[in-house]
Order: sequence, then C-alpha cells, then structure tokens
Amino acid sequence: DAKTTQPPSMDCAEGRAANLPCNHSTISGNEYVYWYRQIHSQGPQYIIHGLKNNETNEMASLIITEDRKSSTLILPHATLRDTAVYYCIGGAGSYQLTFGKGTKLSVIP
Amino acid sequence: EAGVAQSPRYKIIEKRQSVAFWCNPISGHATLYWYQQILGQGPKLLIQFQNNGVVDDSQLPKDRFSAERLKGVDSTLKIQPAKLEDSAVYLCASSYAAGTSYNEQFFGPGTRLTVL
Repeated sequence: DAKTTQPPSMDCAEGRAANLPCNHSTISGNEYVYWYRQIHSQGPQYIIHGLKNNETNEMASLIITEDRKSSTLILPHATLRDTAVYYCIGGAGSYQLTFGKGTKLSVIP
Repeated sequence: EAGVAQSPRYKIIEKRQSVAFWCNPISGHATLYWYQQILGQGPKLLIQFQNNGVVDDSQLPKDRFSAERLKGVDSTLKIQPAKLEDSAVYLCASSYAAGTSYNEQFFGPGTRLTVL
C-alpha cells in the first residue's frame, strides 16, 4: 500500500470549507485513495474514494492531482459535527486499509 | 440496515487473564476484519476473513491472539494471556466482498480493553 503523509492537525471555522491535504507520492497506478474519518469514541466511517478523477458525494469532494501524488478532501460547509480525525489511505482496490495517524480536524464555532 | 455490532463495549482485566470479543457483521457481508487501535494511533489490521476462511493474519500475535469466524457470520477475537500493551480499542469491520472494485468497510463501535 502507498505511504501517505497528512498534517497532524487543522482548524476550520464553522460554515467554511475544510480542505484536508494528503501526499501519496508512492501511489501506484491501480491504487485507490480512500478517505475515512473517526469521530471521538466511534469506529471509522467511510467518506469517499477515487482513482484518477475527482469525485463528489453527499459528504465531501475529493480532488486528485493529475500526477496522483497528492489529493485534497473538501468538506464544503464544515459543521461542529465534522470535528474528527480524517485518514487518507492509499490501497489496492478491494483489500486492506493501512491507517496512519490522520489529521485531527477541529471545527471552531 | 443494522450496523456492525460488537460486545462488550468495555472490558477491564488484569494481566495474564483471558478475554474474548464478539462481532456480528452487517448481514450479507462476506469479509470481516479485526483491528487494534492504540490510543493516538490509527487502527491496525489484525486479521481478515473472507467468509469463514482467513485471508491475512500476518499482524496477529498468534502466541496470544486467536480469532475465528464459524459459519462465515459472527466472529470472536480472543486474547490469552493478556499483556499490559494489549490495552486498546478493538474494532470489527465488515465489507460486502473482497474482489469488488472498491472496499468500503463498515466499522462497529469497538471494544475498549484495559489491562491492569
């Protein structure tokens, strides 16, 4: 699996867009980029994934650079409930997820 | 749709005792995972089942940890004997199947184990 690098923590004002970066320079051509988040005292929750194209769902948008060496998860209008640890994971399509330490996002009122 | 169920939610034991955790995955999910999450770290995969067979247990400390998934549904994870460093949250997750084009895993709430 690709090694990913994320900032340990970020702050975001409530109502503003939260942009969480991830570097995955060693990602191979068939590896997806997955994003999960973990709210305090809960199990991780799937957010979104992508391979080459940008993706959007009801939770977030995923922007992947053309060279696939980095990506950005965008929460368009952050709320207090979005305070969590966000994990960026590079992995082959259907198997294991290797979690790093993630980015602790704090949404501030 | 019911989520992944785990029990107990909390467990406190003394070192050298044994403990077991139970997981009931989402109905129809063929793949089941057990993770260990130490405070301040991301989850680490311990074992992965596909139906009732083990796909990967390379990170399972087999001298003390064991897991089974009889009949390809429920699963139990056992630690015997426990050590202080086993204090962690044990997460169970399930997914529809390996071999699909993506791998959305659904996680249970976890069991928080404290070893004294």
